[in-house]
Amino acid sequence: DTGVSQDPRHKITKRGQNVTFRCDPISEHNRLYWYRQTLGQGPEFLTYFQNEAQLEKSRLLSDRFSAERPKGSFSTLEIQRTEQGDSAMYLCASSLVVSLVQFFGPGTRLTVL
Amino acid sequence: AQKITQTQPGMFVQEKEAVTLDCTYDTSDPSYGLFWYKQPSSGEMIFLIYQGSYDQQNATEGRYSLNFQKARKSANLVISASQLGDSAMYFCAMREMGTQGGSEKLVFGKGMKLTVNP
Repeated sequence: DTGVSQDPRHKITKRGQNVTFRCDPISEHNRLYWYRQTLGQGPEFLTYFQNEAQLEKSRLLSDRFSAERPKGSFSTLEIQRTEQGDSAMYLCASSLVVSLVQFFGPGTRLTVL
Repeated sequence: AQKITQTQPGMFVQEKEAVTLDCTYDTSDPSYGLFWYKQPSSGEMIFLIYQGSYDQQNATEGRYSLNFQKARKSANLVISASQLGDSAMYFCAMREMGTQGGSEKLVFGKGMKLTVNP
């Protein structure tokens, strides 16, 4: 499979716990994006990387959220002290710098109890 | 600020018929791109078609075409010859390019659910 992959696909956690999600982009895609999608809504942009540099962050990305892409390949999104409002689908996408099209992974569905 | 409006919450269409999904947008940036994505129940967003604001012709991609009316700020998706596998959520999205590179983020509408009946 040469598409964007995300792990885990589902995560159930208790309020206050920390969670970390991983995204592996399409090989050679140097841009990587994170979005959050709540029920009944379209995805909302969180942040994006070009190689290892985080170039844009949404105001949605509170200080409890942190994203990294240390070697310019895979990325992690960590949520600290989870809240019930963090329950959502977290989508990762990747693209080439020269392309406008973002290709999405299957998402990680987070449920905070 | 960017805004995408999809007012149809859901549509039903018979298999093999054509269907139009509405999308209107609002931006003050003269350079922008419009996208349509499909999201089946599995959750993955699948890219369908792209239209640039300066493109002279409407985009087409197989059974998908985009009816781009710039003056009306609409970018409706037309699916010809609907198939059962077209049943899914459909999202319209926009990216502002800006005169100095703009933003990389896609702004999505709320989506609409298409159901294709046999």
